[in-house]
Amino acid sequence: GEDVEQSLFLSVREGDSSVINCTYTDSSSTYLYWYKQEPGAGLQLLTYIFSNMDMKQDQRLTVLLNKKDKHLSLRIADTQTGDSAIYFCAERDAGNMLTFGGGTRLMVKP
Amino acid sequence: ETGVTQSPTHLIKTRGQQVTLRCSSQSGHNTVSWYQQALGQGPQFIFQYYREEENGRGNFPPRFSGLQFPNYSSELNVNALELDDSALYLCASSPWTSGVQDTQYFGPGTRLTVL
Repeated sequence: GEDVEQSLFLSVREGDSSVINCTYTDSSSTYLYWYKQEPGAGLQLLTYIFSNMDMKQDQRLTVLLNKKDKHLSLRIADTQTGDSAIYFCAERDAGNMLTFGGGTRLMVKP
Repeated sequence: ETGVTQSPTHLIKTRGQQVTLRCSSQSGHNTVSWYQQALGQGPQFIFQYYREEENGRGNFPPRFSGLQFPNYSSELNVNALELDDSALYLCASSPWTSGVQDTQYFGPGTRLTVL
């Protein structure tokens, strides 16, 4: 079946940029999403990109999509301690089902 | 505008029991999806309801069942609970726009512990 992979952990210093990477296998993906999860909480939608786009910018967030390599990344500029959380990428298939990666834990050091 | 709400927040059950979890969708959303998130993992799709009918199902056994009501709220029922059912259960709602399902917005989840 479809698979979404993410690296487990990323540590950055406050003020630096963070780049979280994701790969997926489903070539029929329509949309790709980034969600943020803080401890004990649900998922907060951060941003999404349509599969025929290659870049989307939303304030401090930049999403890059390489459809040929099935690679998605999320760049957070000027990372703050409040950005510390788990970040999930997800792909939506033609049947509207979301498949999530295992999540990347971002730690921001002051 | 009220977001997605879920109840209860936490629940403790014993193996073999049955549980019902509830979800109220965001205003204007007519589709509800349920996900199971085991500790340290990403959410796994259980099923989706659209206009009170099941509209897709993930790889979960029949003891996981659901309902959607005319006001678009939803229930997830799990029978014969097993220890591995311990997880955070997330509900997400979304609208249909121009015949296409739109972005899913998640509730805070229900933490189920099975002893």
